[in-house]
Amino acid sequence: ETGVTQTPRHLVMGMTNKKSLKCEQHLGHNAMYWYKQSAKKPLELMFVYNFKEQTENNSVPSRFSPECPNSSHLFLHLHTLQPEDSALYLCASSQTTGLKIEQYFGPGTRLTVT
Amino acid sequence: ILNVEQSPQSLHVQEGDSTNFTCSFPSSNFYALHWYRWETAKSPEALFVMTLNGDEKKKGRISATLNTKEGYSYLYIKGSQPEDSATYLCAFSGRGSTLGRLYFGRGTQLTVWP
Repeated sequence: ETGVTQTPRHLVMGMTNKKSLKCEQHLGHNAMYWYKQSAKKPLELMFVYNFKEQTENNSVPSRFSPECPNSSHLFLHLHTLQPEDSALYLCASSQTTGLKIEQYFGPGTRLTVT
Repeated sequence: ILNVEQSPQSLHVQEGDSTNFTCSFPSSNFYALHWYRWETAKSPEALFVMTLNGDEKKKGRISATLNTKEGYSYLYIKGSQPEDSATYLCAFSGRGSTLGRLYFGRGTQLTVWP
């Protein structure tokens, strides 16, 4: 148990659906992250939030829309996704966004786009 | 895009065997090297964060070394146990990167047979 929870754990959606992934951290951290892991690929950073402000968008398509209402919650809003967006989406948090700060991960949401 | 390479891709050992695997990363602009342990259906868990050339870290039967000049880190597991079965990820952070940005390798999947 890392103190980072994600819901849902599994999601199947059609290309025309709109859905949201939720992440919550109970660690009092100030930074939160979204990562994507596609099959056979490394974990890839999508977004970074520090004190609710987005500090990194790693060239992510606009069909992925993050939201960070406070330092404990992070959402990833999904709309008009493509089958190639099927992947494991991981959330993480850290005390701050330092380069040697440990990141604490959630268990991920397995997304399948049909 | 920074290349972080891990080898081997997978490893099968008997209980009691000692094992090691490698993470290679760019030696220029190095700041920190992270090791994570990721059990199936669970959250990746931080093992070590290493910053100094020649550094060695240890946690129980697991240890890691770092060579920043040649750009590699070794992870060692002494006397492997079935509960060590997991994917071991390394991640590089470099000077000048967006704070919090980690570049992950694909991981080494370790299976320990009883």
